Amino acid sequence: DTGVSQNPRHKITKRGQNVTFRCDPISEHNRLYWYRQTLGQGPEFLTYFQNEAQLEKSRLLSDRFSAERPKGSFSTLEIQRTEQGDSAMYLCASSGEGIAETQYFGPGTRLLVL
Amino acid sequence: DAKTTQPTSMDCAEGRAANLPCNHSTISGNEYVYWYRQIHSQGPQYIIHGLKNNETNEMASLIITEDRKSSTLILPHATLRDTAVYYCIVRVMNYGGSQGNLIFGKGTKLSVKP
Repeated sequence: DTGVSQNPRHKITKRGQNVTFRCDPISEHNRLYWYRQTLGQGPEFLTYFQNEAQLEKSRLLSDRFSAERPKGSFSTLEIQRTEQGDSAMYLCASSGEGIAETQYFGPGTRLLVL
Repeated sequence: DAKTTQPTSMDCAEGRAANLPCNHSTISGNEYVYWYRQIHSQGPQYIIHGLKNNETNEMASLIITEDRKSSTLILPHATLRDTAVYYCIVRVMNYGGSQGNLIFGKGTKLSVKP
């Protein structure tokens, strides 16, 4: 399968713990996006990478959140000191570079903070 | 905020065409119309996009009005597997690498019934 993959698919953690999610984009894509989706809402943009450079961060991305894409391939999203409000689906998408390049999404990581 | 308006929900009989409307009255000349859908607990799936001409692919057709203020996604022969939330999104494009993050609204929940 050559689509976007995300791991783990599900994560249950206790409040205050740190969690890390991984996204593997489509191999030739140099743009990578993270989104968050809460119940009943559409996905909301969190951050964007072009190759290894993080070019934009949403106001939703608090100081407890950090994202990396060290070699311009896979990306990780870490949440420190998780809170119950962090419970959501975390989605990753990738695209090529161009004027109308389509973003393709992974299956998401569903986080539950107890 | 999302720049599009969609009905909250729609029903369609299996085998019939599903016509999903979207209003984007403030669309700019450099914005494309994108459609995604999200089946329960999965990541969003790209369907189709267009700028001003009608478009068709193996999944659907996109009809954009001449003034570009609205569009309709057509699933020609809906099946039960087409039951999902459908998102209409307008996305800015320009040269120079706009990050082009997607702004999702709440979408239309399409229920295909036997």
